[in-house]
Amino acid sequence: DADVTQTPRNRITKTGKRIMLECSQTKGHDRMYWYRQDPGLGLRLIYYSFDVKDINKGEISDGYSVSRQAQAKFSLSLESAIPNQTALYFCATSEREETQYFGPGTRLLVL
Amino acid sequence: DQQVKQNSPSLSVQEGRISILNCDYTNSMFDYFLWYKKYPAEGPTFLISISSIKDKNEDGRFTVFLNKSAKHLSLHIVPSQPGDSAVYFCAASPFFGSSNTGKLIFGQGTTLQVKP
Repeated sequence: DADVTQTPRNRITKTGKRIMLECSQTKGHDRMYWYRQDPGLGLRLIYYSFDVKDINKGEISDGYSVSRQAQAKFSLSLESAIPNQTALYFCATSEREETQYFGPGTRLLVL
Repeated sequence: DQQVKQNSPSLSVQEGRISILNCDYTNSMFDYFLWYKKYPAEGPTFLISISSIKDKNEDGRFTVFLNKSAKHLSLHIVPSQPGDSAVYFCAASPFFGSSNTGKLIFGQGTTLQVKP
């Protein structure tokens, strides 16, 4: 079984809709991250959480919110989706400062 | 402002030859550097890393070189294999022990194609 899982894997939604992307991990790591990947821009950090009570904005947090429900779960919400939020979204986890482990990604299309 | 740059969007090499992927950075606070590999429909996977106290780290066919004065790192794959065909991202992390530790800044990625 995968250590980091993301649901859904693919999602199509309409402008203005609220959508939630979910991430779960079985690695027992305290730190979790949300990134988005866009062609030509690499991966950019949206939000990160170093433990359940610690949540921080990344480079591009506008239009997004997160919830850390437990050590193992970190959800990303788009409150009112817009077309330029169409991207590939990745969740990642890490043990303190060390290597990050990524989930398989969620491909989101906002029409 | 792109703090980590991979200026070559793509690279094509013949099987058995060396692949050299390059990465430049601008922030002197970066202390730790990583390379990730990504196949289509999968998340990035960690490949190799290097701390700023070293100038070289080797793991099998993969070697990362760091030139701090030039703010440049490179990944060498020798010999290249068709299974190495993927997108490669370099990433950098701020000063170990700072409040920013653990946050990675990624480059744009380089697509490597290894031809049989």
